[in-house]
Amino acid sequence: TQLLEQSPQFLSIQEGENLTVYCNSSSVFSSLQWYRQEPGEGPVLLVTVVTGGEVKKLKRLTFQFGDARKDSSLHITAAQPGDTGLYLCAGVVLLRAGKSTFGDGTTLTVKP
Amino acid sequence: DAGVIQSPRHEVTEMGQEVTLRCKPISGHDYLFWYRQTMMRGLELLIYFNNNVPIDDSGMPEDRFSAKMPNASFSTLKIQPSEPRDSAVYFCASSRGPDKNIQYFGAGTRLSVL
Repeated sequence: TQLLEQSPQFLSIQEGENLTVYCNSSSVFSSLQWYRQEPGEGPVLLVTVVTGGEVKKLKRLTFQFGDARKDSSLHITAAQPGDTGLYLCAGVVLLRAGKSTFGDGTTLTVKP
Repeated sequence: DAGVIQSPRHEVTEMGQEVTLRCKPISGHDYLFWYRQTMMRGLELLIYFNNNVPIDDSGMPEDRFSAKMPNASFSTLKIQPSEPRDSAVYFCASSRGPDKNIQYFGAGTRLSVL
């Protein structure tokens, strides 16, 4: 059983469209990170959220941490081809100090 | 500043051979992580170190895998003997406590075992 479930697994959209990807768990997290990975490269950190209900914005990307700290979402406004990549969420389970657990990721393709 | 540096970028070897992957973390980072990424299993943590000491190696698949960190600027992941099912992309990441979960990844080593 995957600790972090990401959905959708694959998403293909046209340039200019909006999209939301989700990261869900039955566990409570002390913090949660979102990464983007491009082909042939390692994941690159986009944001970290630590407070329930927290919303962070990074240009056209909006990240939200659920009130109960069990889930998170990433919303992209007016997607561009440069947003194409694998989006990974990772979290540290509360009271289980140490390593992060990664979700399986959402592969996003934005067509020009 | 240079990021996490991994070598080689690509490795092709035959079953049964020894493979050594190398990593240089970001200077000043005290945590180092080794991951394996495959289509089937996603990104899996193999082992991580704090101040050069292995903290959790529960993700290491079996005794064929070993990792060392002789000093703060170098780590190796060794597979001996290698098997075709070890084919994957292996990533090294480093971070700095107390934000150890904000990890900086290298570009990875793509390993193919024939």
